[in-house]
Parts: sequence; C-alpha cells; structure tokens
Amino acid sequence: EAGVTQSPTHLIKTRGQQATLRCSPISGHTSVYWYQQALGLGLQFLLWYDEGEERNRGNFPPRFSGRQFPNYSSELNVNALELEDSALYLCASSLAWQPWAVKSYEQYFGPGTRLTVT
Amino acid sequence: GQQLNQSPQSMFIQEGEDVSMNCTSSSIFNTWLWYKQEPGEGPVLLIALYKAGELTSNGRLTAQFGITRKDSFLNISASIPSDVGIYFCAGPNFGNEKLTFGTGTRLTIIP
Repeated sequence: EAGVTQSPTHLIKTRGQQATLRCSPISGHTSVYWYQQALGLGLQFLLWYDEGEERNRGNFPPRFSGRQFPNYSSELNVNALELEDSALYLCASSLAWQPWAVKSYEQYFGPGTRLTVT
Repeated sequence: GQQLNQSPQSMFIQEGEDVSMNCTSSSIFNTWLWYKQEPGEGPVLLIALYKAGELTSNGRLTAQFGITRKDSFLNISASIPSDVGIYFCAGPNFGNEKLTFGTGTRLTIIP
C-alpha cells in the first residue's frame, strides 16, 4: 500500500513569491494535516482538512492557506514568502477523525517538501 | 498552550546499549504516539498507546502509557546504528484532533 506522497521534494523560491506544495494521502484516509518544521526544531501544526473543508488551523498568518480536493489530496499555498518560511513542510494523513475512534488519531507522514526562500 | 516535554534532549550511546526516554505533559492525554524521524525525512509512527498502563512492543522498542496519563516512556533494547534519529512523542487532548508533538530526543550512536 502506498504511503503519503508529497511533491516537489525541494522548492527554491525568492522572497515575495508564492509556493504551492502538494500531498496525496494514504488510500482510505480522508483527513490531511500540514506541519511546518524549521531546521532543528519541532513540528508546528499548520492546517487540517477533512472532507474538503478546513477544520482547524494553527497559529500562522493567513498567507498560509490550502485546500483539499474531492480525491482527498491537498495543496498548501504560501503567499508573499518570507525568509523565515524556509523549512521542511510535512503532510500527514489519517482516517476521518472521530473523537471516540482511537485509530483516527494515528497520523502517517509523507517525506516532506524542503522549501528554501532566498 | 499544550506542551510535551521530552527527556533527555539528546543521548550519545554505544551500539548494543539499551535506551530509555520519556515524555511528560501538564495535562491528561488519551492517546500517546511515538515517532522516529531521520534527517530530511518525515516522522514514522513506531508505536501507538491507547490505555493508561498499557505496555506495547514493536520489535526492540517498548513503550508504556503512564498510569497518571500525563506521561509515556519509550525503551529501545540492544541499540543498532539504524536507531539513530530523533524520537518524538505526540498526543491529543480529549476531543481534540490536533496532535501536540514533544520537543524530541536525539539519539546518536558512538562507534
């Protein structure tokens, strides 16, 4: 069974430009989560999508946005790139989240997209 | 906000040694997840724990859900070079789909 896939692997952009990152979840998973991991730091929650809707977002400015498509794949857009946006962006997927369904808390990660802003 | 503190922050051990690390929270968790991340890769789920007191193994790895529900432990027996990486604990608060990740424990094996 294929895992979570992300593209591109690496992305180099100039400050002020826009970046688009893509994620395909594990088959059967409908929830997609996005995280930012700056070099040497932990994972910071960005966005959660389920059934095509944004369900929750972390403490990030509105220039971080995304969407989820009918096939449950997702796209993260970062507008007006700043130098501090340079990081590894990780996508994770899980079964449709339900508070009583313990398995739905298990998130499976893709390999990430390394975004470098110069 | 929610915080998960992991200790130790880093470990330098020799191949063959056993490893112990822990994760503590200021509030109760209902699920504990342990992940391993290698450089430039995404975290890989190692073990999931669902009940207080639960002890679960995955090969040489054993994790426990603390009885107070505010902590969890991960042990690695007879470490090998491929165990190198950063180990993260993670968990949700009740009714919250968001995972909070720990600060990580970096494991290095000295040749």
